[in-house]
Amino acid sequence: KAGVTQTPRYLIKTRGQQVTLSCSPISGHRSVSWYQQTPGQGLQFLFEYFSETQRNKGNFPGRFSGRQFSNSRSEMNVSTLELGDSALYLCASSFQSSGTEAFFGQGTRLTVV
Amino acid sequence: AQSVAQPEDQVNVAEGNPLTVKCTYSVSGNPYLFWYVQYPNRGLQFLLKYITGDNLVKGSYGFEAEFNKSQTSFHLKKPSALVSDSALYFCAVGSGAGSYQLTFGKGTKLSVIP
Repeated sequence: KAGVTQTPRYLIKTRGQQVTLSCSPISGHRSVSWYQQTPGQGLQFLFEYFSETQRNKGNFPGRFSGRQFSNSRSEMNVSTLELGDSALYLCASSFQSSGTEAFFGQGTRLTVV
Repeated sequence: AQSVAQPEDQVNVAEGNPLTVKCTYSVSGNPYLFWYVQYPNRGLQFLLKYITGDNLVKGSYGFEAEFNKSQTSFHLKKPSALVSDSALYFCAVGSGAGSYQLTFGKGTKLSVIP
């Protein structure tokens, strides 16, 4: 069974640009969550999608957005990039909410210069 | 609001000795608790979870964790540490029904010394 796939693995962008990250969940998983990992702030929840609907959103500015498609694949977009957006972005998928474990992809390392 | 505390930034243990990585949590209602491990430049790997039932939970790679409701703790343990266990360990608490959101601790770096 294939795991969670995130593309690309590495990205370098310039301040002010925008970026789109992609996540393909495990087959059959309908919940996809996104997290930002930085040395200073640790792992922070961005948002969660279930059946194409955003169910929950973390405390991030509106520059961070996402969507989920009918095949459960998800994308997140960051507009007007800032240096502080440099981070490892992790996607996680789970079969259903709450009591089941989430499986994480290897992440996309975004560097903003 | 839910929260997780991992009081130790780093834990050092000699190979073959037992290891403990500490975690305490705060959540309203019944907690859904998880442990994940992260190796350099990798995503998080699931180790074990507590949802309900026995307080001692067994997971992958010989790890186990003990849920203690009165102390609101969920410490990760292993009877005999391996050098390959050296990694970053995260404790997490899950949100209630209707949404999936994990709140993570800051992480504990485990170093197993040969």
